[in-house]
Formats: sequence, structure tokens, C-alpha cells
Amino acid sequence: QVQLQESGPGLVKPSGTLSLTCAVSGGSISSSNWWSWVRQPPGKGLEWIGEIYHSGSTNSNPSLKSRVTISVDKSKNQFSLKLSSVTAADTAVYYCARENVTYGPEGGFDYWGQGTLVTVSS
Amino acid sequence: SYELTQPLSVSVALGQTARITCGGNNIGSKNVHWYQQKSGQAPVLVIYRDSNRPSGIPERFSGSNSGNTATLTISRAQAGDEADYYCQVWDSSTGVFGGGTKLTVL
Repeated sequence: QVQLQESGPGLVKPSGTLSLTCAVSGGSISSSNWWSWVRQPPGKGLEWIGEIYHSGSTNSNPSLKSRVTISVDKSKNQFSLKLSSVTAADTAVYYCARENVTYGPEGGFDYWGQGTLVTVSS
Repeated sequence: SYELTQPLSVSVALGQTARITCGGNNIGSKNVHWYQQKSGQAPVLVIYRDSNRPSGIPERFSGSNSGNTATLTISRAQAGDEADYYCQVWDSSTGVFGGGTKLTVL
């Protein structure tokens, strides 16, 4: 059973950089799946941030692309998110998730972390 | 950018059938995935690739996709089905979620 666990600071100052890590257990990050970040502002819907493949290839939401960096550490079986120049609008629960491509590209997210709340405030 | 439109809320009587729609331009040409999110919890995949159920999801959950509308159908609705439901597709290597639908079981 694959499990994902987000970790990182729960409070980030405005104009700073949000940094989160997602540890993968019960499976290899080098499997044929993509690994994504999704966020959810309080009381609002889901927003896809971006994804990474174990090769290092990435895709990002065009609305966030200039501020997003996603990286992978295969030796630690984890991947990370950095979001720069944050404002209060970036306050959200951040989830990491696995995109299952067993049946082809553009699969659904079959495993999710429990989510971590990141608040942007001084 | 590609947009998905969902009704804000849907109500269903206990034991009846609920249908939640997801509209998008020619969405029938895309793979649609559906998620259930209960209060304070992470989303759970309930339908993938239009109409497939992951292991552990009851047969009461089904999906269809044609033209400009995809539909999640929940048969014999139970109190435990009360949740927010989101549709999701991929467009030009970008993940896109619908705005979400709150399902109320009366």
C-alpha cells in the first residue's frame, strides 16, 4: 500500500518561499507514475500545482509556473515543492498525490497524502 | 485554459439516485476522473477514466462521459455519501479540476 506524507513549515512570511516535501513509502518513486502537488484554499476547491517524473521531467500549472519548482530525490524516495514570492492567496492545504498511469497517460490521482496546512502571514 | 463546470450543490433523498455533472468543451474526448472529499479529509478517487471504479469503491458509483458533459451517478444514496465531489481532466499536460459539487443526502 503506497503512502504519502507531506512535511514542511506551517507558517511562511509574505514574499518568502514555501517549501514542502512528500515522502513516499510502500512503493518506489521511480515507478512509472507521475507525482503531483495539489492545493486547496480554506473553504474552496482543488487546484493542481504541478507534477514530476522520476527522471526529473516536470509540468506546472501555467498560472503558477513562474513561481513553482518541483524536484525529486530518488535516494530518499521523495519529491519536493518550492513556491516563491508567496502571498496570503497561497494559504491552503497542500496535498501530494500519485497519478496512476497504469492504463495510459493522463491518469487519476489514486493515492494522496493527508495534506498539510500552510499559512502565509507575517 | 480549459475549464470544467460543476453545479455548486446537488440534493438527493436517501436511497435515491444522485447525478453530478461536469461540463467542458468536448469533454467526451478526454479521460475524466472523479473524487470524493469528505470534510477535513483528503480526496479519494471514486471513478477513473470516465467509468472505472478503483478497488474498494462500491458499485453504486458509476460514471459516463459524452459530448460536452461527464456525469457521476450515485445509486441508492447513503448518508455516508455526503461529501464534495470533484471532476478532473488533463489538458495539454495540465491538471484541471472542476469547482466541486456539494452532495447533500436528505
